[in-house]
Amino acid sequence: SQTIHQWPATLVQPVGSPLSLECTVEGTSNPNLYWYRQAAGRGLQLLFYSVGIGQISSEVPQNLSASRPQDRQFILSSKKLLLSDSGFYLCALDRAWETQYFGPGTRLLVL
Amino acid sequence: GQQLNQSPQSMFIQEGEDVSMNCTSSSIFNTWLWYKQDPGEGPVLLIALYKAGELTSNGRLTAQFGTTRKDSFLNISASIPSDVGIYFCAGPAGANNLFFGTGTRLTVIP
Repeated sequence: SQTIHQWPATLVQPVGSPLSLECTVEGTSNPNLYWYRQAAGRGLQLLFYSVGIGQISSEVPQNLSASRPQDRQFILSSKKLLLSDSGFYLCALDRAWETQYFGPGTRLLVL
Repeated sequence: GQQLNQSPQSMFIQEGEDVSMNCTSSSIFNTWLWYKQDPGEGPVLLIALYKAGELTSNGRLTAQFGTTRKDSFLNISASIPSDVGIYFCAGPAGANNLFFGTGTRLTVIP
């Protein structure tokens, strides 16, 4: 069965520091992968999606970037974090019949 | 732009009561999905609907694909404390993406 791992689970970072969040998947090949952000008490905002290695589509302009160095690895990065980057970051993959499966999430607090 | 509005935004109900929530779209959807997000976790798919008028159940949950294809409804019967969470509707947005609604936050009072 498919599994999504997200690391770290929780992160507290100062403003201006760099960021690297990792998402790895198991049990599938060549999945479409997604990064979402969820602000406290809010809905899901799609940040990036990837249909394959090295292929990244950005949905919202921001100071974040994404990379897909391997088929089952999706990384979310920033060179300098802003306070507004705080939130719950979710990685997801495509499943059959237009559905998506979500990982456990990373909670980021920027101070 | 495309919008998915969920109503109500939040609900406080007594354990054992039935729950109804809905999702309306500014455009036609050919697929409606309902997800539940437990506190501090990722959303989990509850029900998927693929045909206008379709009524699908998953245990105490029942969802309907509106006949106009611009709305969907989710009902929970005999609520229990573990029903607490945020319920999201979603639909396809382009070839590879999903568009999520604003969410309905459910609180069940024991």
